[in-house]
Amino acid sequence: AQTVTQSQPEMSVQEAETVTLSCTYDTSESDYYLFWYKQPPSRQMILVIRQEAYKQQNATENRFSVNFQKAAKSFSLKISDSQLGDAAMYFCAYRILTGTASKLTFGTGTRLQVTL
Amino acid sequence: DAGITQSPRYKITETGRQVTLMCHQTWSHSYMFWYRQDLGHGLRLIYYSAAADITDKGEVPDGYVVSRSKTENFPLTLESATRSQTSVYFCASSLNRGDGYTFGSGTRLTVV
Repeated sequence: AQTVTQSQPEMSVQEAETVTLSCTYDTSESDYYLFWYKQPPSRQMILVIRQEAYKQQNATENRFSVNFQKAAKSFSLKISDSQLGDAAMYFCAYRILTGTASKLTFGTGTRLQVTL
Repeated sequence: DAGITQSPRYKITETGRQVTLMCHQTWSHSYMFWYRQDLGHGLRLIYYSAAADITDKGEVPDGYVVSRSKTENFPLTLESATRSQTSVYFCASSLNRGDGYTFGSGTRLTVV
């Protein structure tokens, strides 16, 4: 079975500090994309960052960056200069490209708390 | 830019009743999906569709039915609601296989 594991159910970070959320995945496919989604209390799912598996360069979006280790099947999210608005549930996911079953598989999420 | 719309936002129904959750997208995206979100399980795929008239089961399809007669609509029907189907339901769409999803705002369904 193809799975995504987020081993940290909850994390906390002080405002302006840096935090890293962990994610590992398991797939036998070689061609896929990886994603991090943010879900604030409003319930809306917001795409944070996207990484193509064939690219070695780590994706970056403003204060958000990833550490992608393909061989280790690891895809962690780093949030720099944390802000109160970063408090949310964060989901890691991947999407394979082969066959008709091209859909996102999600982890169980990490709840991030941001403190003053 | 209406995007992807789910309705209703909240729904309470009784055990055994049929209920339909609506999903409409304005982009003509090929792919559409239904997920349920439950504490401790993340998002689990119920059904998905790669195009109009093409649907397939996901991880947890039992008790659900979908149809996709038009590209823009992808309703999800609970044929006979059970308490275990109390959940938050998300509809999502994407244009291409490598894209992330755009999600609707979700429907919180309570079965009593």
